[in-house]
Amino acid sequence: KAGVTQTPRYLIKTRGQQVTLSCSPISGHRSVSWYQQTPGQGLQFLFEYFSETQRNKGNFPGRFSGRQFSNSRSEMNVSTLELGDSALYLCASSPSSISETQYFGPGTRLLVL
Amino acid sequence: GENVEQHPSTLSVQEGDSAVIKCTYSDSASNYFPWYKQELGKGPQLIIDIRSNVGEKKDQRIAVTLNKTAKHFSLHITETQPEDSAVYFCAASNFGNEKLTFGTGTRLTIIP
Repeated sequence: KAGVTQTPRYLIKTRGQQVTLSCSPISGHRSVSWYQQTPGQGLQFLFEYFSETQRNKGNFPGRFSGRQFSNSRSEMNVSTLELGDSALYLCASSPSSISETQYFGPGTRLLVL
Repeated sequence: GENVEQHPSTLSVQEGDSAVIKCTYSDSASNYFPWYKQELGKGPQLIIDIRSNVGEKKDQRIAVTLNKTAKHFSLHITETQPEDSAVYFCAASNFGNEKLTFGTGTRLTIIP
């Protein structure tokens, strides 16, 4: 079974731009979560989707948004990029809940200049 | 909201010795506690998890203990090997709340 895939793996953007990251979960998994990982703040929960519905979100500004499609694939978008948005963005999938075994993708490393 | 504290931030042990990493959580409603291992350039990988109705769980050289009263849980790795070197994260969630809070991580180094 293929693992969680994330595209692109690396991105360089400039301040003020927007970016869209993509995540394809393991086949059959309907729960997709997104996390931001930085050296200073560690791993922080962004949001979780199930059946195209956002079930919970972390403490991030509205510039961070996401969505999930009917095939469970998910995208997250960051608008008006700031230098502090530079991070590794991780996606994880599980069958139906965040409280089950989550499988993480390799992440998308975003650098904002 | 939930707050998870993790100690120590770095840990070095001789190969073959045991390593213990401890976490405390604040939300008494949390009932799921996973541990993840992250190697350089990779996403975190679940190594063991425990639910609040269980006090201890073991999987070969890895074990996790949970003390609900004190709101802390620990990861124990015995007979450490060089491939155990990585960053380990604890986390906590409340089934149904669909939000996972991570600890700050422990960089474990196994000295050959």
